[in-house]
Amino acid sequence: KAGVTQTPRYLIKTRGQQVTLSCSPISGHRSVSWYQQTPGQGLQFLFEYFSETQRNKGNFPGRFSGRQFSNSRSEMNVSTLELGDSALYLCASSLGAVLGRDSPLHFGNGTRLTVT
Amino acid sequence: SQQGEEDPQALSIQEGENATMNCSYKTSINNLQWYRQNSGRGLVHLILIRSNEREKHSGRLRVTLDTSKKSSSLLITASRAADTASYFCASGKAGSYQLTFGKGTKLSVIP
Repeated sequence: KAGVTQTPRYLIKTRGQQVTLSCSPISGHRSVSWYQQTPGQGLQFLFEYFSETQRNKGNFPGRFSGRQFSNSRSEMNVSTLELGDSALYLCASSLGAVLGRDSPLHFGNGTRLTVT
Repeated sequence: SQQGEEDPQALSIQEGENATMNCSYKTSINNLQWYRQNSGRGLVHLILIRSNEREKHSGRLRVTLDTSKKSSSLLITASRAADTASYFCASGKAGSYQLTFGKGTKLSVIP
């Protein structure tokens, strides 16, 4: 089985621009979560989708949004980029219907976003 | 705020020694999981322990869970240079759809 695929791998954007990151989960996985990883804050939960519905959202401003398509692929969007948005954005997919309940996450290798 | 907090933040040992990492969390959980991350890569799931379990083994890994103290430990026995990575605990909060990660322990195994 192919693993979780995130594209692009690296991205450089300018302050004020917007960006869209893509995630293809493992085949059969219906839950997709997004995390932001920075040296200072560690791994911060952004949101989780299951069957096209956002079930949980982390404590991030409205500039961060996401969606999931009927084939379980997911995208996240960050508008009006700020320097502090520079981070590794990780997507993870899961088989279980209840995240965290006997259902480990399978992570992609992330998208490294640099905002200048 | 981070629900899980690992201790120590960094650990350096010789190959062949055992490595122990600890994790604390704050609320009731369904399970606790441990992940490994090699530099700049995604996280890899290592082991999951349910809230009604106290100890679990997988190869050279041993995880314990003490729900009364809201803590867990990960023991890696007979460490190898390839074990060099950051290790994160993640707690699955009861009634929630998210995993909350700690800030990790950076393990260096010296050949």
